[in-house]
Amino acid sequence: QIALKESGPTLVSPTQTLTVTCTFSGFSLSTAGEGVAWIRQPPGKALEWLALVYWNNDSRYSPSLKGRLTITKDTSKNQVVLTMTNMDPVDTGTYYCAHREQLGYFDHWGQGTLITVSS
Amino acid sequence: VLTQSPATLSLSPGERAILSCRASQSVGTFLAWYQQKPGQAPRLLISDASNRATGISARFSGSGPGTDFTLTISGLEPEDFAVYYCQSGYTFGQGTKLEMK
Repeated sequence: QIALKESGPTLVSPTQTLTVTCTFSGFSLSTAGEGVAWIRQPPGKALEWLALVYWNNDSRYSPSLKGRLTITKDTSKNQVVLTMTNMDPVDTGTYYCAHREQLGYFDHWGQGTLITVSS
Repeated sequence: VLTQSPATLSLSPGERAILSCRASQSVGTFLAWYQQKPGQAPRLLISDASNRATGISARFSGSGPGTDFTLTISGLEPEDFAVYYCQSGYTFGQGTKLEMK
């Protein structure tokens, strides 16, 4: 069965770069149609889609954050990495990775990792 | 843009909940609904506007297509009180909180 788990720092200083890793099992990002997305949620607020990488290395980014985000995949390690530059306290929240199934929906999610941006 | 209404819905167990999601332009049937409970990741309930995900109770139903979508929950159970989000493509709605009256 499909499982995903996020890992990364719990505390980041303002202006620093965040790097979070999604390690998954139960599918391969070398299989046509597969994708993994990053989605975040500030405390008490709504979900916000950030980025997505497809099996063919195509990637998509949130227009509002595009210049700050980079998403990459390591198929051999079953990992997807998201970097976000110039972190700000408003970037505080829970960061989820999710499996995008072939129809475009997110059918499996990691447990999420809480990232706090503070000096 | 996906706009959900109402922001909060207060109902009692056993009642029927109707949640709305309006798209700023037609998305056909390309819309999903998710349920999120406190401290948990979202869970996919409905895909393609009306198809229940694996293991989801028949009390949950979705309708569309086009720009106006609804999620109906019949006979509310205590475990149904949560926040519900709609999603299409790379966009989520702002959520509807279903709270117990």
